[in-house]
Amino acid sequence: GQQVMQIPQYQHVQEGEDFTTYCNSSTTLSNIQWYKQRPGGHPVFLIQLVKSGEVKKQKRLTFQFGEAKKNSSLHITATQTTDVGTYFCAPPPPNTGNQFYFGTGTSLTVIP
Amino acid sequence: EAGVAQSPRYKIIEKRQSVAFWCNPISGHATLYWYQQILGQGPKLLIQFQNNGVVDDSQLPKDRFSAERLKGVDSTLKIQPAKLEDSAVYLCASSFAGLSNEQFFGPGTRLTVL
Repeated sequence: GQQVMQIPQYQHVQEGEDFTTYCNSSTTLSNIQWYKQRPGGHPVFLIQLVKSGEVKKQKRLTFQFGEAKKNSSLHITATQTTDVGTYFCAPPPPNTGNQFYFGTGTSLTVIP
Repeated sequence: EAGVAQSPRYKIIEKRQSVAFWCNPISGHATLYWYQQILGQGPKLLIQFQNNGVVDDSQLPKDRFSAERLKGVDSTLKIQPAKLEDSAVYLCASSFAGLSNEQFFGPGTRLTVL
C-alpha cells in the first residue's frame, strides 16, 4: 500500500495566493521525488531531494526535505492558472522495497 | 529527443474481451514501467523492467495481466479477460538507470471496459 500521505487532498486558491502541499512518511526516506500531473495529462518530474534539510527552488516553486527526512513540502508562491494540477510526492526505492509508490496527491485548483 | 510513445490512446472494450497496449520508451532508457491510474488516484506500479528482465511485478494481477519487453526496447501490456474494474489510464514510463532517476511518462492509454 501507500507509504506516504499527502495533505491536503484538495486545495482551491485564488490566483496570486500561495499554496503548500505536505508529504509525510512514517519512516525515514533516503530521497524523494515530486511530480506534477495536469488534468488529463501524465505525470511530469519536477525534482528530487536527497539531503537532510535540503531546499531547492524552481522559479516560484520551493521544495524542502525535512531534517529527519520523514517529510517534504512543495510551496508555490503567487499561484497562476498554469499551476493547476495534482502534485505527487514519490519516494523511490529502496525507501519502499522495490516498489515505486506515488503519494496520495494534492489537487490544486486556481481560481482566476 | 522523442518522448515515450504509447498506443492506442483510447480503447473501449466489453468485459471479458482482451486488449493490448504498446509502449516505446525513450532511446537508451534501460528501465521501463507500466502503471495503472484509476480516476482520482495516484499511479500504481504494475511492473518494472530493467532491459528485458522483470525487476518487480508484485502488484500485477497475473491471472489476467501479462507484460513483456522483448529485446529490451518496446513493451506490451495485455489484459485477458478484462473486468469492469480495469477501466483506468495505463501509463508507461522510462528512466535512464533505475528508480532513483526521474521517470519520463508517455501520454497513457485510457481504457474503458463496458
